[in-house]
Amino acid sequence: EVQLVESGGGLVQPGGSLRLSCAASGLRFSTFWMSWVRQAPGKGLEWVANIKENGNEKNYVGSVKGRFTISRDNAKNSVYLQMNNLRVEDTAVYYCATRGGPKGFDYWGRGTLVTVSA
Amino acid sequence: QSVLTQPPSLSGAPGQRVTISCTGSSSNIGAGYAVHWYQQLPGTAPRLLIFDDTNRPSGVPDRFSGSKSGASASLAITGLQAEDEADYYCQSYDSRLSGPTFGGGTKLTVL
Repeated sequence: EVQLVESGGGLVQPGGSLRLSCAASGLRFSTFWMSWVRQAPGKGLEWVANIKENGNEKNYVGSVKGRFTISRDNAKNSVYLQMNNLRVEDTAVYYCATRGGPKGFDYWGRGTLVTVSA
Repeated sequence: QSVLTQPPSLSGAPGQRVTISCTGSSSNIGAGYAVHWYQQLPGTAPRLLIFDDTNRPSGVPDRFSGSKSGASASLAITGLQAEDEADYYCQSYDSRLSGPTFGGGTKLTVL
């Protein structure tokens, strides 16, 4: 059974930083693109970033470019999202998800809540 | 503002058939990129319902079906059940945004 477990969310002030982690099990992690998708309170889904199987390609939505960095450690079956210079509008539940290409985002974690507030 | 347009809400009675539309453009669905659909039950993570326009992952009932034509796609649900009450999102790739993009979501209410 595939499991994705996010951690690292919490309350942070504007301008602060957080590092999210996602631990994967039940899949050959090193063969999957991985993504972060977020959902602001009461709003829809927004893709944030993705990373290729070997970590050599990374993509970001425009609103987080230069502030967020996605990375992965295939030895630890984990993907990370370093979030710097956080803004109030980054407040959301952040989900870790697999793939996102022609087969869609096929597995999702339960999410971790990030709240940016003074 | 999402580049994929969905109706904000829809409702239907148990047993009915409902269709949720997803309208895109030449930079996403119209360019031939695959469309996927997700169901999000209240308080839970999204779940993949349809991938690559028409395919159901294992475990998804055949009451759910997807179709695509031109720059639009649709999710049909037949034999509506109370447990189908959820938010539904379409998703594709957009070449102008250079990344995956979601529709704004449709809240389905079972009357």
